[in-house]
Amino acid sequence: EDQVTQSPEALRLQEGESSSLNCSYTVSGLRGLFWYRQDPGKGPEFLFTLYSAGEEKEKERLKATLTKKESFLHITAPKPEDSATYLCAVQDTGGFKTIFGAGTRLFVKA
Amino acid sequence: ETGVTQSPTHLIKTRGQQVTLRCSSQSGHNTVSWYQQALGQGPQFIFQYYREEENGRGNFPPRFSGLQFPNYSSELNVNALELDDSALYLCASSQDGGGTVNTGELFFGEGSRLTVL
Repeated sequence: EDQVTQSPEALRLQEGESSSLNCSYTVSGLRGLFWYRQDPGKGPEFLFTLYSAGEEKEKERLKATLTKKESFLHITAPKPEDSATYLCAVQDTGGFKTIFGAGTRLFVKA
Repeated sequence: ETGVTQSPTHLIKTRGQQVTLRCSSQSGHNTVSWYQQALGQGPQFIFQYYREEENGRGNFPPRFSGLQFPNYSSELNVNALELDDSALYLCASSQDGGGTVNTGELFFGEGSRLTVL
């Protein structure tokens, strides 16, 4: 059964303190791995899609990487506005459902 | 380009009642997925609709049912509400060729917050 595990559950950083969020996944055949950002009381907002091991994507202070078993979301010099829950999700080659992890709640203090 | 809209935004029901939640998909999108998100958890897949038919279902009982209309909007119906049904219900739309031509990106609405007392 497809599974996504994210760590840590929560992460507190000072502004400018870089760090990484981890996503471990088990899937029969990976069609895509996704990162979403979710602000309190809002729906998730799409950030990245990664399709194969070795692939990297960047957007502002965020960079996502993918291996055969894990994905990392690297946050460089975060700002308070980066505070949110970051969700990792996978879609298998069956293609009809996307499985989400529980998320990492990121707090960035000024 | 209009985004995904959901209604109502908040509602309170009592155990045993029935509820209908509505979703208008993003312009140009033909697939709608519904998710349940409990507090502090990630979204859990309920089901997906493509061309007015259920295209896949997660581990939810039959009292969770849905519809998709010709304009690709959708409804989620939950019968015999239980306390554990209290959650944020998210609708997501995508441009999907029935799972064969699909970038996988989901575009979410703001959700409907259901409280069951």
